[in-house]
Amino acid sequence: DAKTTQPPSMDCAEGRAANLPCNHSTISGNEYVYWYRQIHSQGPQYIIHGLKNNETNEMASLIITEDRKSSTLILPHATLRDTAVYYCIVRVADNQGGKLIFGQGTELSVKP
Amino acid sequence: DVKVTQSSRYLVKRTGEKVFLECVQDMDHENMFWYRQDPGLGLRLIYFSYDVKMKEKGDIPEGYSVSREKKERFSLILESASTNQTSMYLCASSLVLSVLPNYGYTFGSGTRLTVV
Repeated sequence: DAKTTQPPSMDCAEGRAANLPCNHSTISGNEYVYWYRQIHSQGPQYIIHGLKNNETNEMASLIITEDRKSSTLILPHATLRDTAVYYCIVRVADNQGGKLIFGQGTELSVKP
Repeated sequence: DVKVTQSSRYLVKRTGEKVFLECVQDMDHENMFWYRQDPGLGLRLIYFSYDVKMKEKGDIPEGYSVSREKKERFSLILESASTNQTSMYLCASSLVLSVLPNYGYTFGSGTRLTVV
């Protein structure tokens, strides 16, 4: 299974863009990059996923490098409610449904 | 709004008790998962199921069993609870991988189990 490496913690000023990096140098060609976040005392929440093209939705943007060895999650205008642990996950692709294996994630603190 | 519902938010049980953690999803998802989360160890997969009556061991199945008699319900069973099973337990569900684009897992809010 491809593994990911994320910084353990980051700070961001409220209203600024938060850029969360992730390295996944052993990713396979058919594996997707997923991002989840977990706000304190809640279950993880899906944010976005991508294969090789950049993706954007109402929550965030995902930038994947051309060689797919790294990606960046961008929260364009961070708010205090974005304070959470963010997980970058490479999805194990198997016929029974692709288990999600979580790493330690990045603890993002958005400060006023 | 689609949901994964876990029956209890907080639970306190005694050592040696048989404990049932229930999870129900209303999204007609094929796959269901049980994780536990501990400080410093992150989320670890206990068991998962990709169909009714089917189950697969995750990374830490010891001391646990599961039951999936209906598509919407996935139960985690602690046959004889021990103090090292004190943890936050999270249930999740998803569509089968082959259904594209798969938007990911939906998690429940978690059950914080304390074994005394």
